[in-house]
Amino acid sequence: QKEVEQDPGPLSVPEGAIVSLNCTYSNSAFQYFMWYRQYSRKGPELLMYTYSSGNKEDGRFTAQVDKSSKYISLFIRDSQPSDSATYLCATGGFKTIFGAGTRLFVKA
Amino acid sequence: DAGITQSPRHKVTETGTPVTLRCHQTENHRYMYWYRQDPGHGLRLIHYSYGVKDTDKGEVSDGYSVSRSKTEDFLLTLESATSSQTSVYFCAISEGEYGYTFGSGTRLTVV
Repeated sequence: QKEVEQDPGPLSVPEGAIVSLNCTYSNSAFQYFMWYRQYSRKGPELLMYTYSSGNKEDGRFTAQVDKSSKYISLFIRDSQPSDSATYLCATGGFKTIFGAGTRLFVKA
Repeated sequence: DAGITQSPRHKVTETGTPVTLRCHQTENHRYMYWYRQDPGHGLRLIHYSYGVKDTDKGEVSDGYSVSRSKTEDFLLTLESATSSQTSVYFCAISEGEYGYTFGSGTRLTVV
C-alpha cells in the first residue's frame, strides 16, 4: 500500500463547476498536508498547506483534512480553464511524500 | 523558477555513462532534495540534504549519489546510467518542514 493514494483521473469538468480532488494517507503521525499544482512540463508549485485537521480557504480553493479518516481534499469553486493542471497531494513534512497526482481538465 | 535553477534542462545519454545534474539556489535554504517523476509513481525522493556535506538517502536512491559542497549547489550523479533511470528529475528547496519550491526539471533519456 502506498503511503499516499490519489486517483490519477483524468477529471474533466465544464467551466464554472465545483471540483473535488481527494487523497488518502496511511500514517496517522503526519501533521502537514499540502496541495501542489503542476502545469504541463513545469515543476510543481505549492498551492495550499494545512496543519493537522480542519479547513483552509484561499480564494476559490479550499483544503480540507480529516485525520480521523486519513482523508485530504481540495475543492475548487468556479473552476476556470486556467485551472487545468495536475494536482498533487502531499504529506509528511520533512521528506514529503507525494500522491501520484490527478489530472484536471476544465473545458471552456 | 525564481531562486532555483536546474541544469541541463534536457539530456540524452548512453547506457553505462555517468551523468551529473545540477541544482543551484539563491534562497539560502537549508534543505535541498532530488525527486524523480514517473507516470503512475508520482514524485519519489532520491536523496536529500539538510546542510553542507550533510546528505541522506530517500526512497529510490540505488544507482544515485549526491554531493553538496556549498549551500547553493546540490549535485545528483547517476554513476552508470540505465534505461530505468529515464525520467524527469526535479530539485526542490525548503527552509522548514513543508512548502517546497521546485525547479523546472531535467528531462533525462538513457538510450
